[in-house]
Amino acid sequence: GDSVTQMEGPVTLSEEAFLTINCTYTATGYPSLFWYVQYPGEGLQLLLKATKADDKGSNKGFEATYRKETTSFHLEKGSVQVSDSAVYFCALSEAGNTPLVFGKGTRLSVIA
Amino acid sequence: SAVISQKPSRDICQRGTSLTIQCQVDSQVTMMFWYRQQPGQSLTLIATANQGSEATYESGFVIDKFPISRPNLTFSTLTVSNMSPEDSSIYLCSVRTQGANTEAFFGQGTRLTVV
Repeated sequence: GDSVTQMEGPVTLSEEAFLTINCTYTATGYPSLFWYVQYPGEGLQLLLKATKADDKGSNKGFEATYRKETTSFHLEKGSVQVSDSAVYFCALSEAGNTPLVFGKGTRLSVIA
Repeated sequence: SAVISQKPSRDICQRGTSLTIQCQVDSQVTMMFWYRQQPGQSLTLIATANQGSEATYESGFVIDKFPISRPNLTFSTLTVSNMSPEDSSIYLCSVRTQGANTEAFFGQGTRLTVV
Protein backbone atom coordinates (compact mmCIF):
# COMPACT_ATOMS: atom_id res chain seq x y z
CA GLY A 1 0.00 0.00 0.00
CA ASP A 2 0.87 3.65 -0.08
CA SER A 3 3.34 4.94 2.46
CA VAL A 4 5.27 8.06 3.42
CA THR A 5 8.71 8.12 5.00
CA GLN A 6 10.09 11.29 6.50
CA MET A 7 13.26 12.01 8.40
CA GLU A 8 13.33 11.27 12.07
CA GLY A 9 13.37 14.13 14.48
CA PRO A 10 13.70 16.03 16.56
CA VAL A 11 15.49 18.69 14.58
CA THR A 12 16.93 21.62 16.47
CA LEU A 13 18.10 24.69 14.57
CA SER A 14 19.22 28.18 15.41
CA GLU A 15 17.15 31.08 14.18
CA GLU A 16 17.87 32.00 10.52
CA ALA A 17 19.31 28.57 9.75
CA PHE A 18 18.36 26.64 6.61
CA LEU A 19 15.82 23.87 7.04
CA THR A 20 15.36 20.67 5.07
CA ILE A 21 12.98 17.91 6.12
CA ASN A 22 13.18 14.93 3.81
CA CYS A 23 10.08 13.10 2.64
CA THR A 24 9.82 10.18 0.24
CA TYR A 25 6.75 8.25 -0.74
CA THR A 26 5.56 4.97 -2.21
CA ALA A 27 2.38 4.99 -4.26
CA THR A 28 0.87 2.94 -7.05
CA GLY A 29 -0.43 5.91 -9.02
CA TYR A 30 0.16 9.64 -9.15
CA PRO A 31 -0.65 11.00 -5.73
CA SER A 32 -1.13 14.51 -4.50
CA LEU A 33 1.45 15.45 -1.88
CA PHE A 34 1.00 17.62 1.19
CA TRP A 35 2.87 19.11 4.10
CA TYR A 36 0.90 19.75 7.27
CA VAL A 37 2.06 21.60 10.36
CA GLN A 38 0.93 21.12 13.95
CA TYR A 39 1.85 23.96 16.27
CA PRO A 40 1.97 23.20 20.02
CA GLY A 41 -1.51 22.61 21.36
CA GLU A 42 -3.19 23.13 17.99
CA GLY A 43 -4.73 21.02 15.25
CA LEU A 44 -3.23 20.20 11.87
CA GLN A 45 -3.05 22.92 9.26
CA LEU A 46 -2.18 22.58 5.62
CA LEU A 47 1.18 24.20 4.94
CA LEU A 48 1.49 23.52 1.22
CA LYS A 49 0.65 21.01 -1.45
CA ALA A 50 1.56 19.85 -4.95
CA THR A 51 -0.64 17.81 -7.23
CA LYS A 52 1.60 16.77 -10.12
CA ALA A 53 5.21 16.18 -11.01
CA ASP A 54 7.49 19.24 -10.90
CA ASP A 55 4.86 21.32 -9.11
CA LYS A 56 6.27 23.49 -6.35
CA GLY A 57 4.14 24.23 -3.34
CA SER A 58 5.02 27.26 -1.23
CA ASN A 59 3.68 29.09 1.79
CA LYS A 60 5.10 31.20 4.63
CA GLY A 61 8.60 30.90 3.17
CA PHE A 62 8.41 27.10 3.01
CA GLU A 63 8.77 25.29 -0.31
CA ALA A 64 8.56 21.71 -1.55
CA THR A 65 8.87 20.36 -5.09
CA TYR A 66 7.10 17.22 -6.30
CA ARG A 67 9.90 15.03 -7.69
CA LYS A 68 8.42 12.01 -9.43
CA GLU A 69 11.77 10.59 -10.49
CA THR A 70 12.97 10.38 -6.89
CA THR A 71 9.48 10.01 -5.33
CA SER A 72 10.30 12.85 -2.98
CA PHE A 73 8.71 16.00 -1.60
CA HIS A 74 11.33 17.56 0.66
CA LEU A 75 10.36 20.59 2.72
CA GLU A 76 12.74 23.56 2.76
CA LYS A 77 12.94 27.01 4.27
CA GLY A 78 15.82 29.38 3.83
CA SER A 79 15.69 31.07 7.23
CA VAL A 80 13.70 29.58 10.08
CA GLN A 81 12.19 31.55 12.93
CA VAL A 82 11.35 30.57 16.49
CA SER A 83 7.68 30.68 15.50
CA ASP A 84 8.31 27.80 13.06
CA SER A 85 8.77 25.41 15.98
CA ALA A 86 6.17 22.72 15.38
CA VAL A 87 5.68 19.17 14.15
CA TYR A 88 5.68 18.79 10.37
CA PHE A 89 3.87 15.94 8.61
CA CYS A 90 4.31 14.83 5.02
CA ALA A 91 1.23 13.16 3.52
CA LEU A 92 -0.14 11.82 0.27
CA SER A 93 -3.43 10.98 -1.31
CA GLU A 94 -4.05 8.89 -4.40
CA ALA A 95 -7.51 10.26 -5.12
CA GLY A 96 -10.00 12.79 -3.92
CA ASN A 97 -12.34 11.85 -1.09
CA THR A 98 -9.91 9.29 0.33
CA PRO A 99 -8.05 9.65 3.62
CA LEU A 100 -4.54 11.00 3.60
CA VAL A 101 -1.61 8.75 4.43
CA PHE A 102 0.80 10.45 6.82
CA GLY A 103 4.47 10.15 7.63
CA LYS A 104 5.57 9.86 11.24
CA GLY A 105 6.11 13.59 11.67
CA THR A 106 9.25 15.59 12.35
CA ARG A 107 9.47 17.84 15.39
CA LEU A 108 11.32 21.08 14.69
CA SER A 109 12.63 23.30 17.48
CA VAL A 110 14.11 26.66 16.57
CA ILE A 111 16.13 28.43 19.24
CA ALA A 112 16.96 32.12 19.34
CA SER B 1 -12.68 24.94 2.46
CA ALA B 2 -14.32 23.42 5.51
CA VAL B 3 -14.45 24.40 9.16
CA ILE B 4 -14.80 21.57 11.64
CA SER B 5 -15.97 22.01 15.20
CA GLN B 6 -14.88 19.11 17.39
CA LYS B 7 -15.76 18.59 21.01
CA PRO B 8 -14.85 18.00 23.70
CA SER B 9 -11.38 19.45 23.26
CA ARG B 10 -10.07 17.35 26.12
CA ASP B 11 -11.30 15.01 28.80
CA ILE B 12 -10.00 12.85 31.60
CA CYS B 13 -11.97 9.63 31.96
CA GLN B 14 -12.03 6.65 34.25
CA ARG B 15 -11.08 3.29 32.83
CA GLY B 16 -14.05 1.18 31.81
CA THR B 17 -16.18 4.17 30.81
CA SER B 18 -16.99 5.49 27.32
CA LEU B 19 -16.55 8.89 25.70
CA THR B 20 -18.35 10.21 22.64
CA ILE B 21 -16.58 12.76 20.46
CA GLN B 22 -18.59 14.97 18.15
CA CYS B 23 -17.61 16.63 14.89
CA GLN B 24 -19.70 19.23 13.11
CA VAL B 25 -18.73 20.48 9.64
CA ASP B 26 -19.89 23.78 8.17
CA SER B 27 -20.63 22.20 4.78
CA GLN B 28 -21.95 18.91 3.47
CA VAL B 29 -19.30 16.29 2.90
CA THR B 30 -19.63 12.73 1.69
CA MET B 31 -17.01 11.14 3.89
CA MET B 32 -15.56 11.93 7.27
CA PHE B 33 -12.40 10.33 8.60
CA TRP B 34 -11.44 9.57 12.18
CA TYR B 35 -7.79 9.41 13.20
CA ARG B 36 -5.90 8.61 16.38
CA GLN B 37 -2.64 10.33 17.24
CA GLN B 38 -0.86 8.64 20.12
CA PRO B 39 1.65 10.70 22.10
CA GLY B 40 4.58 11.65 19.91
CA GLN B 41 3.28 9.58 17.03
CA SER B 42 1.78 10.17 13.61
CA LEU B 43 -1.86 9.96 12.66
CA THR B 44 -3.40 6.52 12.32
CA LEU B 45 -6.69 6.17 10.46
CA ILE B 46 -9.37 4.52 12.58
CA ALA B 47 -12.28 4.50 10.15
CA THR B 48 -14.07 6.22 7.30
CA ALA B 49 -17.65 7.30 7.96
CA ASN B 50 -19.99 7.53 4.99
CA GLN B 51 -23.45 8.95 5.48
CA GLY B 52 -26.13 6.30 5.19
CA SER B 53 -23.90 3.27 5.59
CA GLU B 54 -21.76 1.60 8.19
CA ALA B 55 -18.31 2.96 8.78
CA THR B 56 -15.34 1.18 7.28
CA TYR B 57 -12.69 0.32 9.86
CA GLU B 58 -8.97 -0.05 9.36
CA SER B 59 -7.04 -3.08 10.48
CA GLY B 60 -6.70 -3.13 14.25
CA PHE B 61 -9.86 -1.12 14.92
CA VAL B 62 -13.29 -2.66 15.52
CA ILE B 63 -16.80 -1.32 15.69
CA ASP B 64 -17.44 -2.60 19.21
CA LYS B 65 -14.55 -0.54 20.54
CA PHE B 66 -15.01 2.54 18.31
CA PRO B 67 -18.64 2.81 17.22
CA ILE B 68 -19.26 5.63 14.76
CA SER B 69 -22.45 7.39 13.81
CA ARG B 70 -23.01 9.49 10.69
CA PRO B 71 -26.62 10.65 10.79
CA ASN B 72 -26.26 13.37 8.12
CA LEU B 73 -23.76 15.00 5.78
CA THR B 74 -22.44 17.51 8.34
CA PHE B 75 -22.10 15.53 11.56
CA SER B 76 -20.41 12.44 12.96
CA THR B 77 -19.57 10.95 16.33
CA LEU B 78 -16.87 8.56 17.46
CA THR B 79 -17.26 6.69 20.74
CA VAL B 80 -14.29 5.24 22.56
CA SER B 81 -15.78 2.37 24.55
CA ASN B 82 -14.66 0.55 27.67
CA MET B 83 -11.60 2.72 27.88
CA SER B 84 -8.20 1.72 29.17
CA PRO B 85 -5.06 3.84 29.66
CA GLU B 86 -3.84 2.62 26.26
CA ASP B 87 -6.65 4.63 24.67
CA SER B 88 -5.08 7.87 25.88
CA SER B 89 -4.51 9.76 22.63
CA ILE B 90 -5.59 12.68 20.56
CA TYR B 91 -8.58 11.82 18.37
CA LEU B 92 -9.16 13.88 15.23
CA CYS B 93 -11.89 14.06 12.65
CA SER B 94 -11.14 15.12 9.12
CA VAL B 95 -12.93 15.81 5.86
CA ARG B 96 -11.99 16.43 2.29
CA THR B 97 -14.14 18.66 0.13
CA GLN B 98 -15.33 17.67 -3.32
CA GLY B 99 -12.91 17.72 -6.21
CA ALA B 100 -9.65 16.14 -7.13
CA ASN B 101 -6.47 16.96 -5.25
CA THR B 102 -8.17 18.80 -2.44
CA GLU B 103 -6.53 19.00 0.94
CA ALA B 104 -7.92 17.51 4.13
CA PHE B 105 -9.31 19.69 6.89
CA PHE B 106 -9.08 18.74 10.52
CA GLY B 107 -10.88 19.40 13.73
CA GLN B 108 -8.88 20.74 16.65
CA GLY B 109 -8.72 17.28 18.17
CA THR B 110 -9.87 15.70 21.41
CA ARG B 111 -7.11 15.03 23.91
CA LEU B 112 -8.23 12.00 25.90
CA THR B 113 -6.54 10.83 29.08
CA VAL B 114 -7.73 7.60 30.67
CA VAL B 115 -6.84 7.08 34.32
